[in-house]
Amino acid sequence: AQKVTQAQTEISVVEKEDVTLDCVYETRDTTYYLFWYKQPPSGELVFLIRRNSFDEQNEISGRYSWNFQKSTSSFNFTITASQVVDSAVYFCALSEAAGGYNKLIFGAGTRLAVHP
Amino acid sequence: EAGVAQSPRYKIIEKRQSVAFWCNPISGHATLYWYQQILGQGPKLLIQFQNNGVVDDSQLPKDRFSAERLKGVDSTLKIQPAKLEDSAVYLCASSLDRSSDSEFATEAFFGQGTRLTVV
Repeated sequence: AQKVTQAQTEISVVEKEDVTLDCVYETRDTTYYLFWYKQPPSGELVFLIRRNSFDEQNEISGRYSWNFQKSTSSFNFTITASQVVDSAVYFCALSEAAGGYNKLIFGAGTRLAVHP
Repeated sequence: EAGVAQSPRYKIIEKRQSVAFWCNPISGHATLYWYQQILGQGPKLLIQFQNNGVVDDSQLPKDRFSAERLKGVDSTLKIQPAKLEDSAVYLCASSLDRSSDSEFATEAFFGQGTRLTVV
C-alpha cells in the first residue's frame, strides 16, 4: 500500500531563512509520481511540482528546489530566502498506477509559518 | 482556462440531515476526485472517477455517502444522514491523466472546497 509521511507538523522561520520540508514515501510500484502542493489560508490546494520515478534530477525553480532520492524514498522541498507569503500548509503526495488508474494519496502536511 | 468549480462554499446543517455538494471539473479532464479534509489533516480520498465510472471508493462510508458523475462531467457528493464527525472541507479535483502520453500521471487541480459544519 502506498503511504506518505511528513514528519514535520509545524515549522516556524524568520523571513529570509532557508527552510526544507521533508517527505518520505512508501510504494511497491516501480513507476510512480510525486507531487508537492501548497495550501494557503484561503484553502485551495495549489500544485507546485510533479516528479516521476524515473527522473531523479533535482530541480531549482526560482526560490524553490526539490531533492528526490529513490535510495531513501525521499522527496524533500526547499524554499530559499523564505517570505511571509510562503506561509501555508505544504502537502507531499504520491500517485501510483493501481489497477490501471492513478490513485493520489497525500501526507498529513507541514504547516510553515514565516515571520517578518 | 476555467478551474474546478465547487458549490456551495459553506454549509451548516444539523446532524441527521442530508447535504449535497456539486463539482464541475476542468473541461476535458477524465479523472475526478472527491477528498475529505478534516481540520489539521491531509486530504483523504473518498472516491475517484475515471470518466463516469468509479475506479476507487474504498474509503467512502457507503452507508451514508454516495457520489455520481453524470455523463463523465459534473459530479455530486451526498451525505445522508450527516454525523458530527463529517464536519470537514470537501475538496473536488480533476486531472487529465492521458494514459497514452509519456507523462502518465498528470497533476490534479483542486477547487476551493465546500466547508461543511454539522451541528
